[in-house]
Amino acid sequence: AQRVTQPEKLLSVFKGAPVELKCNYSYSGSPELFWYVQYSRQRLQLLLRHISRESIKGFTADLNKGETSFHLKKPFAQEEDSAMYYCALTDYGQNFVFGPGTRLSVLP
Amino acid sequence: DAGVIQSPRHEVTEMGQEVTLRCKPISGHDYLFWYRQTMMRGLELLIYFNNNVPIDDSGMPEDRFSAKMPNASFSTLKIQPSEPRDSAVYFCASSFRRDTGELFFGEGSRLTVL
Repeated sequence: AQRVTQPEKLLSVFKGAPVELKCNYSYSGSPELFWYVQYSRQRLQLLLRHISRESIKGFTADLNKGETSFHLKKPFAQEEDSAMYYCALTDYGQNFVFGPGTRLSVLP
Repeated sequence: DAGVIQSPRHEVTEMGQEVTLRCKPISGHDYLFWYRQTMMRGLELLIYFNNNVPIDDSGMPEDRFSAKMPNASFSTLKIQPSEPRDSAVYFCASSFRRDTGELFFGEGSRLTVL
């Protein structure tokens, strides 16, 4: 069965510090991995996807198939990065499974 | 396109009452998903449709919950009778399979059952 885990419910870092949000998954095939973000009072929105291999708002994520991980990283956190982050997995756009989410709090 | 539209945005009701949440997906999208978000359990998939047909409803908590999609532009999630533990934010999302599979979310319906 597909499963996504995010071990940290809450992650607090100081502004300017590096941040890493962890995500591990279990899936027998070749899934597509995403990071979604929900800022305060806004709808959930796509942050980035592994197939595009791009950097969005300074965030990057590398898919490690050996470790079945898709950790989200940013070298220098900003206060506006404070939000709820969800790692998600889909099997060719059909079912979408989300992790439990990590709340990132960037302190001034 | 205005994006995925959900109504009502907020609903407060008493235990035992029927609740109906509505969703209009993005035009042309062929997948529609209903999620429930709570502090304790995060984002849970309740059910999803493909071309108006329910594909997987294993996430629906119990028989009190039902979902329909009578046409490509409308879906409902009904709770009857409602209970306080149903209090949550319910999200609808849609996607186009031939795209990269990105989900587009509505703003959510916040349900409070007293």
